[in-house]
Amino acid sequence: QVLLQESGPGLVKPSETLSLTCSVSGFSLSSGYFWGWIRQPPGKGLEWIASVYHSGIVYYNPSLKSRVTISVDTSNNQVSLELTSVTAADTAMYYCARTDISTYYFDYWGRGTLVTVSS
Amino acid sequence: QSALTQPRSVSGSLGQSVTISCSGTSTDVGGNNYVSWYQQHPGKVPRLIIHGVDKRPSGVPDRFSGSKSGSTASLTISGLQAEDEADYFCCSYAGRYSFEVFGGGTKLTVL
Repeated sequence: QVLLQESGPGLVKPSETLSLTCSVSGFSLSSGYFWGWIRQPPGKGLEWIASVYHSGIVYYNPSLKSRVTISVDTSNNQVSLELTSVTAADTAMYYCARTDISTYYFDYWGRGTLVTVSS
Repeated sequence: QSALTQPRSVSGSLGQSVTISCSGTSTDVGGNNYVSWYQQHPGKVPRLIIHGVDKRPSGVPDRFSGSKSGSTASLTISGLQAEDEADYFCCSYAGRYSFEVFGGGTKLTVL
């Protein structure tokens, strides 16, 4: 069974950098698939942030690209996300999800980690 | 990257059918057959219910069906049940520069 578990700081101050980690079990990142991050502000819709392939190929949401870095650590089976210069608008539930590389749907999701940006 | 357009809310009575639309452009919905739909109950993780425009993953009731015409995809739920009351999000592959784009979401109320 593929399990994804997000971890993060919970609370980040404005202008600081948000760092999140997605730990994957039951499936090796080196076996394929894209692994990505999706966020959902409270009471709002889903927004795709970024996705990465085990080889290092990355895709970013154009609206966030200047502030986002996604990376994969195959030795620890983890995917990481960094979002710089955060503001209150970055307050959201952040989900990690797996994407099929040929049909582009998110089939496995983590439970999410809530990040609040506040001083 | 503009979000796909969905109605903010739809409603239907128990046993009836509802259709939720998802409008995009030739770059996303109209340019491929990689449209997926997700169901999200309050406080829960989104759940994949349709992929590849009209394919249902194992375990998803056949009351859920998907289709596409041009740059508009649709999700139809027939024989509405109380547990179908949830938020529904469409998503489409949007090419190598945007990759994935979601719709704004539709709240389904079962009357």
